[in-house]
Amino acid sequence: EVQLLESGGGLVQPGGSLRLSCAASGFTFSNYPMSWVRQAPGKGLEWVSAVSRSGGETYYADSVKGRFTISRDSPKNTIYLEMNSLSADDTAVYFCAKEEGGQSIGIYYFDYWGQGTLVTVSS
Amino acid sequence: SYELTQPPSVSVSPGQTASITCSGDILGHRYACWYQQKPGHSPVLVIYQDTKRPSGIPERFSGSNSGNTATLTISGTQAMDEADYYCQAWDYSTAHVFGTGTKVTVL
Repeated sequence: EVQLLESGGGLVQPGGSLRLSCAASGFTFSNYPMSWVRQAPGKGLEWVSAVSRSGGETYYADSVKGRFTISRDSPKNTIYLEMNSLSADDTAVYFCAKEEGGQSIGIYYFDYWGQGTLVTVSS
Repeated sequence: SYELTQPPSVSVSPGQTASITCSGDILGHRYACWYQQKPGHSPVLVIYQDTKRPSGIPERFSGSNSGNTATLTISGTQAMDEADYYCQAWDYSTAHVFGTGTKVTVL
């Protein structure tokens, strides 16, 4: 059974930093790209960042580029999201998601999601 | 960057058919997929590659994509289908794009 367990959320002051973790199990972790997707309170889904199978390629939404860093640790079956210079606009539930599909198919989609971890940026 | 536009809300009577559209230029040359999200829960994939259903998703969920519009159809809608629905596409230049979301109400 695929499981994705996020942790690290909490209350942080504007301008502060936070690191989220997502521990994966139930599949061959190194075979799949992984992403972070967030959802602000009462709002829609927003893709945040993705990391390739090897961890050598990373991708970011324009809204977080230069502030967030995604990484993965294959021996630990875990991905991370390092978030810096946080603002109120970053307040959201952050979901970890396993990607499926591929460039040759023409789509990557999310077949499994974690339960999410809440990040609140407030003074 | 690409955008995907959905109607904010769709209402349907139990047993009837609900259709949710997703419009955007990217859909003219890329697949669409769809997620269902119930309050307080994580999204669940219900359709991928325009028309395919993951295992465990009821047959009443179907998808199509023509021109620049993808459509999720729920046939014989049940009360348990009341949820928010999001379309999503991917492109090498823009990575993942989500639609604006549609709240389906079963009256």
